[in-house]
Amino acid sequence: AQKVTQAQTEISVVEKEDVTLDCVYETRDTTYYLFWYKQPPSGELVFLIRRNSFDEQNEISGRYSWNFQKSTSSFNFTITASQVVDSAVYFCALRWAPIQGAQKLVFGQGTRLTINP
Amino acid sequence: DTGVSQDPRHKITKRGQNVTFRCDPISEHNRLYWYRQTLGQGPEFLTYFQNEAQLEKSRLLSDRFSAERPKGSFSTLEIQRTEQGDSAMYLCASSPTKVLAGAPTDTQYFGPGTRLTVL
Repeated sequence: AQKVTQAQTEISVVEKEDVTLDCVYETRDTTYYLFWYKQPPSGELVFLIRRNSFDEQNEISGRYSWNFQKSTSSFNFTITASQVVDSAVYFCALRWAPIQGAQKLVFGQGTRLTINP
Repeated sequence: DTGVSQDPRHKITKRGQNVTFRCDPISEHNRLYWYRQTLGQGPEFLTYFQNEAQLEKSRLLSDRFSAERPKGSFSTLEIQRTEQGDSAMYLCASSPTKVLAGAPTDTQYFGPGTRLTVL
């Protein structure tokens, strides 16, 4: 079965602190894709990053960075020097094997991040 | 290029009534998805279209739910005889089947959602 676990339900930090959001996934497939989405209070899910199972390189985009480790089935997300605008619910998601009919995303329960000024 | 749009944004209805939601995907995206999100949870997959063909349906999609995408463009999701348990945010997403402007083919882009409240 495919499953995504985000063990941190809520995180609260002070602005400018670094914060890491954890994501652990389960799948038996060798080909799969991992995603992070941000859901601000407005409700719209905003795409942040996509990773395929064959690319374990870490990625950095501005203050955001992602650490993908197949050995621990984790795809963690770090925000450096957090800002109040980073406050949102963040979701990790999994999609497996790009065959017809297998296009759905399986989401974790989300981590609510609050950045306090 | 506009994003995914959904209408209405909010819907309040009484138990037993029928409701219909509309989703307009990003132009040139031929895959369209519906998800449901309840409070404090991640979105859950409901169904998926490629062009006008409905290729996958979740067990969550009971026989009171029906989705269509008649011309392969916009989609509608209808809930008949609504129940209080149907109260949720209904999210629509779309994705292309080829790389467009450098974006991977399977990345799903979401609309703002329709929040349904059943009284």
